[in-house]
Amino acid sequence: TQLLEQSPQFLSIQEGENLTVYCNSSSVFSSLQWYRQEPGEGPVLLVTVVTGGEVKKLKRLTFQFGDARKDSSLHITAAQPGDTGLYLCAGANDMRFGAGTRLTVKP
Amino acid sequence: DAGVIQSPRHEVTEMGQEVTLRCKPISGHDYLFWYRQTMMRGLELLIYFNNNVPIDDSGMPEDRFSAKMPNASFSTLKIQPSEPRDSAVYFCASSLVYSGANVLTFGAGSRLTVL
Repeated sequence: TQLLEQSPQFLSIQEGENLTVYCNSSSVFSSLQWYRQEPGEGPVLLVTVVTGGEVKKLKRLTFQFGDARKDSSLHITAAQPGDTGLYLCAGANDMRFGAGTRLTVKP
Repeated sequence: DAGVIQSPRHEVTEMGQEVTLRCKPISGHDYLFWYRQTMMRGLELLIYFNNNVPIDDSGMPEDRFSAKMPNASFSTLKIQPSEPRDSAVYFCASSLVYSGANVLTFGAGSRLTVL
């Protein structure tokens, strides 16, 4: 089992602020995935990163895969209340998830 | 497609009772996963199947838990006997393999409360 550590655990910010959350491991992953989960629902896939150093953008969300493929980050620009949720990373090697970052964006 | 369908959405039962959770995956998906989510432990992988065959059940907490997939369109997770510490939201997810990675589609979950 490859352990994924996510930080911070909780993050509360004002609308319009920028933020970055992290997903780290001591193991190498063939790919990493980011999911967002809203209350009362299952997680929904946001992106899969495959190549070391890869950067993917999804509107205001920017995902980066570390050069060594052991870590990833998610940066949100000008956060909006609709970005509120639990952000989870998962290793594609074994489909196990980190504990998540619970983001609250206040209007 | 209606997505991954789980039932029941909510279940309240008493300690010692048998609980059966059900899942219908997306048609054509070869993989099916069962997860359990709690605030304390996060989203834990319990077991997954490939083409109806259990591949990794190392996350199943103990013998009280069992999972079956009798055909490609149905899976069950059974807890017998249930205990209060089993209270959690149980998710089923199915997937195709895309570019070497499973792309999971989750159901809405079954919230289990054991009194």
